[in-house]
Amino acid sequence: DAGVIQSPRHEVTEMGQEVTLRCKPISGHNSLFWYRQTMMRGLELLIYFNNNVPIDDSGMPEDRFSAKMPNASFSTLKIQPSEPRDSAVYFCASSRTLDTEAFFGQGTRLTVV
Amino acid sequence: AQTVTQSQPEMSVQEAETVTLSCTYDTSESNYYLFWYKQPPSRQMILVIRQEAYKQQNATENRFSVNFQKAAKSFSLKISDSQLGDTAMYFCAFSLTSGTYKYIFGTGTRLKVLA
Repeated sequence: DAGVIQSPRHEVTEMGQEVTLRCKPISGHNSLFWYRQTMMRGLELLIYFNNNVPIDDSGMPEDRFSAKMPNASFSTLKIQPSEPRDSAVYFCASSRTLDTEAFFGQGTRLTVV
Repeated sequence: AQTVTQSQPEMSVQEAETVTLSCTYDTSESNYYLFWYKQPPSRQMILVIRQEAYKQQNATENRFSVNFQKAAKSFSLKISDSQLGDTAMYFCAFSLTSGTYKYIFGTGTRLKVLA
């Protein structure tokens, strides 16, 4: 199994630009999670899906952030417009069901200048 | 609300020695999971070990074992025969078994294994 695949691994963008992060969960996993990791706040859950449906997006910091899961094998996290304080590592994780262990992708390091 | 506390920001251990990383948590729930994740410099978050709260037996996974004390709300990780490849950040995490499924992570312990 290839594991959770995220792209790109690194993204540098200018303030005000739109950024789209992508995630392919492990095949057969029904739950998908987006996390953000920063030095100041550690690892925070932004949003999670179950069977492609968003269940809890209370961690999404602002309306500039949006996430979609159009099918079981693909999810996106979009930031529009991006700001320097969005700079962080964004992780996608998937699990077979909501209450089983999550497997993480390698993360996308986002830098907004 | 649930919280997870890792009180050791940094630790070091000699290769082949044993080290224990501490984690305490707070919850009013009785059913939950606890995890230890490892994050090496490659940035990948790797599941090390998992413990179900209803199980009294401590989980083990090769050189990794936990000491789960439910009443004390303590969940420490013991690494035996430490190897250079164990150098990483280690995160303790908590998850309920129903309701809100988000992991609550501790702030991490940076472990360095010395040759």
